Amino acid sequence: DIQLTQSPSFLSASVGDRVTITCRASQGISSYLLWYQQKPGKAPKLLIYAASTLQSGVPSRFSGSGSGTEFSLTISSLQPEDLATYYCQQVNSYPLTFGGGTKVVIK
Amino acid sequence: EVQLLESGGGLVQPGGSLRLSCAASGFTFSNNAMSWVRRAAGKGLAWVASINGNSDTTPYADSVKGRFTISRDNSKNTVYLQMNSLRDEDTAVYYCAKCGVGGGTSCQHSGLDVWGQGTTVTVSS
Repeated sequence: DIQLTQSPSFLSASVGDRVTITCRASQGISSYLLWYQQKPGKAPKLLIYAASTLQSGVPSRFSGSGSGTEFSLTISSLQPEDLATYYCQQVNSYPLTFGGGTKVVIK
Repeated sequence: EVQLLESGGGLVQPGGSLRLSCAASGFTFSNNAMSWVRRAAGKGLAWVASINGNSDTTPYADSVKGRFTISRDNSKNTVYLQMNSLRDEDTAVYYCAKCGVGGGTSCQHSGLDVWGQGTTVTVSS
């Protein structure tokens, strides 16, 4: 099974900060990586697919990069509504696996 | 607008059974694979199972293999998760999700683009 390691697991930042979350795969997954945002009490929402493609309707302050085993999600200017937990997911092979999550709080 | 509505959650004793349903609308249901994902309290997301459009491919997580069965009825635009021999550790919010980002139809090599609001399963005596 492919393991995904996200870091950090917790992140505290101020409004306007640039924030980066990393996701490392235990083996190469090409660009078969997605990023989701889950706000408290809500369903997950797709932000990025194919490692770097922004899902329709998602603000352009979100961006993704990487391929192979190293990936990152960047929020260029953190907003109050970005309070959430962020997950990466690999869809290269079954079982589909998620990273452990990164909880983002606003200072 | 694509919508997914889960139902069937509740309280069940260890060893018991429950069937979850997910009613879909707003897309051609039979074209797309579907998945179930769960999140236990205080933990992260965990993929449970997927099913392709014609039901001939149904991969499962090892933690539920042999106990859970995913199925679909394309005439009713509904995907199901039959859960048997339930354990305490199956307690979670269960989400169904449509597979196929960017115009695709599969889960593998694509992803989960729309999620339902979830239904809560509690396994406890």
